[in-house]
Amino acid sequence: QQQVKQSPQSLIVQKGGISIINCAYENTAFDYFPWYQQFPGKGPALLIAIRPDVSEKKEGRFTISFNKSAKQFSLHIMDSQPGDSATYFCAASSYGGSQGNLIFGKGTKLSVKP
Amino acid sequence: KAGVTQTPRYLIKTRGQQVTLSCSPISGHRSVSWYQQTPGQGLQFLFEYFSETQRNKGNFPGRFSGRQFSNSRSEMNVSTLELGDSALYLCASSVVDSNTEAFFGQGTRLTVV
Repeated sequence: QQQVKQSPQSLIVQKGGISIINCAYENTAFDYFPWYQQFPGKGPALLIAIRPDVSEKKEGRFTISFNKSAKQFSLHIMDSQPGDSATYFCAASSYGGSQGNLIFGKGTKLSVKP
Repeated sequence: KAGVTQTPRYLIKTRGQQVTLSCSPISGHRSVSWYQQTPGQGLQFLFEYFSETQRNKGNFPGRFSGRQFSNSRSEMNVSTLELGDSALYLCASSVVDSNTEAFFGQGTRLTVV
């Protein structure tokens, strides 16, 4: 059972464009939603995270939009740059209980063309 | 502040052997989680340790085990290696648990031949 579904699997965007990656979750107990960026040969790096008490969080060119009723959240990368080319993972977790670990989406490979 | 350190970076083992991977968390972080990353299955949770106790476990066979020491350093062991165990093994550390910021190491690339 895939608890976090991520789309698209791959994405090609022109430099300066907006990259949008979507995730949907099933478990309503999830209360922490981070996004990770991973370059080849490296471990995932925390990019930005949101909790369900807010609908949007922005850090520089990166924005998370969160829709609690739809159980969806998305990552927007504004003014995408070739250096943003990487694989992006959404994840979710719930505090305490048996779900203290991160549940990851399958990842989106982003290519930003110059 | 040093990041999460995993050793070794690369390993080649033969089927049937066992392997031990090491993870040193960020100073002050007490939670260490392990994940397996493969192209087909993505990132899958193995187990989490906090204060030397396994607090959470993923859906992996008993060949996969781990432990945490009093200084929060952690090791994971895989016995009777199978070809399908070839993967990038990632360690993540958090102050308390993965519900707060979790920082990953660069991983150990295990190849089973």
